[in-house]
Amino acid sequence: DTAVSQTPKYLVTQMGNDKSIKCEQNLGHDTMYWYKQDSKKFLKIMFSYNNKELIINETVPNRFSPKSPDKAHLNLHINSLELGDSAVYFCASSQDLGQGGTNYGYTFGSGTRLTVV
Amino acid sequence: AQKVTQAQTEISVVEKEDVTLDCVYETRDTTYYLFWYKQPPSGELVFLIRRNSFDEQNEISGRYSWNFQKSTSSFNFTITASQVVDSAVYFCALKSWANAGKSTFGDGTTLTVKP
Repeated sequence: DTAVSQTPKYLVTQMGNDKSIKCEQNLGHDTMYWYKQDSKKFLKIMFSYNNKELIINETVPNRFSPKSPDKAHLNLHINSLELGDSAVYFCASSQDLGQGGTNYGYTFGSGTRLTVV
Repeated sequence: AQKVTQAQTEISVVEKEDVTLDCVYETRDTTYYLFWYKQPPSGELVFLIRRNSFDEQNEISGRYSWNFQKSTSSFNFTITASQVVDSAVYFCALKSWANAGKSTFGDGTTLTVKP
């Protein structure tokens, strides 16, 4: 059973299109994240949701919109795709007990390689 | 500000050598968490270890060991008797609630183990 699953694994699309990446976790974790990994392998956080509530919203273009229908799902929708959006997008989840509580490491999905042509 | 520095961009060793990956961090929080992740050539990101700021005990897991020193703000990772399968990008990460609970990743160290 896959703990954090992302679909699709590969996504090739033309500039200007709108696309979505889906993420689901079956670990019962309360917090989910989207990270972007560029061609130099740098990992940058984009968004974080805790129990469906947005708690981290980094400086990303507003063409990127996360949606969390429930705490097991965190989807990423991207409008008007640009060449610079090409990257690997990782979904992750963790069970954090907040400040003062125990914070655990992330379980990552396998990544979605987005190529904009 | 919260920052993680992995000064070694790339390291190349021959199988069976020991290798240490350095990680230096900055945070103004007194409670924080440090992590190491591995990204093999297949691309997935795998959690290796978590250490909280009030536990400076070093840890050993098989050929892997971690040395946490608050005095030097370092959390170094040593692989003993390296193997080809250890070839990967290794990321150090820091999470603190002074930074809204965000995890900041270092830029990664690419380790190549040659047979």
